[in-house]
Amino acid sequence: AQSVTQLGSHVSVSEGALVLLRCNYSSSVPPYLFWYVQYPNQGLQLLLKYTSAATLVKGINGFEAEFKKSETSFHLTKPSAHMSDAAEYFCAVKDQAGTALIFGKGTTLSVSS
Amino acid sequence: KAGVTQTPRYLIKTRGQQVTLSCSPISGHRSVSWYQQTPGQGLQFLFEYFSETQRNKGNFPGRFSGRQFSNSRSEMNVSTLELGDSALYLCASYRTGNTDTQYFGPGTRLTVL
Repeated sequence: AQSVTQLGSHVSVSEGALVLLRCNYSSSVPPYLFWYVQYPNQGLQLLLKYTSAATLVKGINGFEAEFKKSETSFHLTKPSAHMSDAAEYFCAVKDQAGTALIFGKGTTLSVSS
Repeated sequence: KAGVTQTPRYLIKTRGQQVTLSCSPISGHRSVSWYQQTPGQGLQFLFEYFSETQRNKGNFPGRFSGRQFSNSRSEMNVSTLELGDSALYLCASYRTGNTDTQYFGPGTRLTVL
């Protein structure tokens, strides 16, 4: 069965600092991986996706993620945090049996000035 | 282009009642998926519909059901509500053949008292 594990339920950074949110996956087939962001009282917004093309994926709002097969990781990074980045972030893998997304538990990002 | 809309946004019910939630996908999208989000279990896949047919179902009891209409709008129903059904219910829509880009609605917050 496929799964994703997000390391750290809460990450705090200062404005302008590097953002690093960690995600490790488990999959017996090449995975399709995603990062979503959720702002309070809102739905999920797709940040970026990996679908077996380039291993370095660039997304919206300056975020990017690198697929590392040897480490079974798909960590999300942003060089310089902004106050507006404060939200909950979810890593997900597409279920090989269909189109369902299997989500991690989420990481709440706090940004302080 | 209008996004995914879900109605109602908030709902309060009592144990034993039933509830129906509605989701209108983005125009042109014929596939709809439903997810339940709770603090304890996180985001979990409920079911997926395409062209009025259920294509995939998650591991939820039979009290949870859904359907899709010819205009692609979808409803989900929960019968005999339990306290544990309190959750944010999210709907996602996507184009046929582009399952890697799912657009989520803002969700319906269901509270069961």
